[in-house]
Amino acid sequence: GQNIDQPTEMTATEGAIVQINCTYQTSGFNGLFWYQQHAGEAPTFLSYNVLDGLEEKGRFSSFLSRSKGYSYLLLKELQMKDSASYLCAVRDGYNTNAGKSTFGDGTTLTVKP
Amino acid sequence: DGGITQSPKYLFRKEGQNVTLSCEQNLNHDAMYWYRQDPGQGLRLIYYSQIVNDFQKGDIAEGYSVSREKKESFPLTVTSAQKNPTAFYLCASAEQGPGANVLTFGAGSRLTVL
Repeated sequence: GQNIDQPTEMTATEGAIVQINCTYQTSGFNGLFWYQQHAGEAPTFLSYNVLDGLEEKGRFSSFLSRSKGYSYLLLKELQMKDSASYLCAVRDGYNTNAGKSTFGDGTTLTVKP
Repeated sequence: DGGITQSPKYLFRKEGQNVTLSCEQNLNHDAMYWYRQDPGQGLRLIYYSQIVNDFQKGDIAEGYSVSREKKESFPLTVTSAQKNPTAFYLCASAEQGPGANVLTFGAGSRLTVL
């Protein structure tokens, strides 16, 4: 099975930098994903890590350490529209659960002026 | 444009009734998924299918049923056996094989039991 932990809520100021952490304990690993979800809407894909290290995509970066079961999402130059829930998801390895992603409960980020 | 269409967007059900949520995709994705989301929580997997005519139970399959007769379609039936069906239901699809295989989600169906 999978166990994924992330903080419930975070608050940050417009223009600042915020780091959202995610720790996981899994029976298999085939990639870690971050999704953004605005209230009442469907999640949208932000980033994907399968190897250790940092992946950068514009104002968003994501880091993975497989040995530590740890990832973070880094948001720079925060904008009001970044207020949303950020979901960490881990995909199972190559077995009967191949392709099955398990989600954390999400971190609700509030950006203040 | 390619995407996933869920219907209806809002659905009200009386206790004891079965309801079916529709999910159609034109992305040519092999895999399709149904997730349930309750307020303030993440997504929990109900059922998934990696190929036509085959599907697997997720973490919370009790009280739900699915079918995968066509690649494009993966309907979810919420049966009267589901004790607490009021929730936001999300359908997703993804490619299979090597690579990221990112989940693409539909807009969701919000089910309320009266």
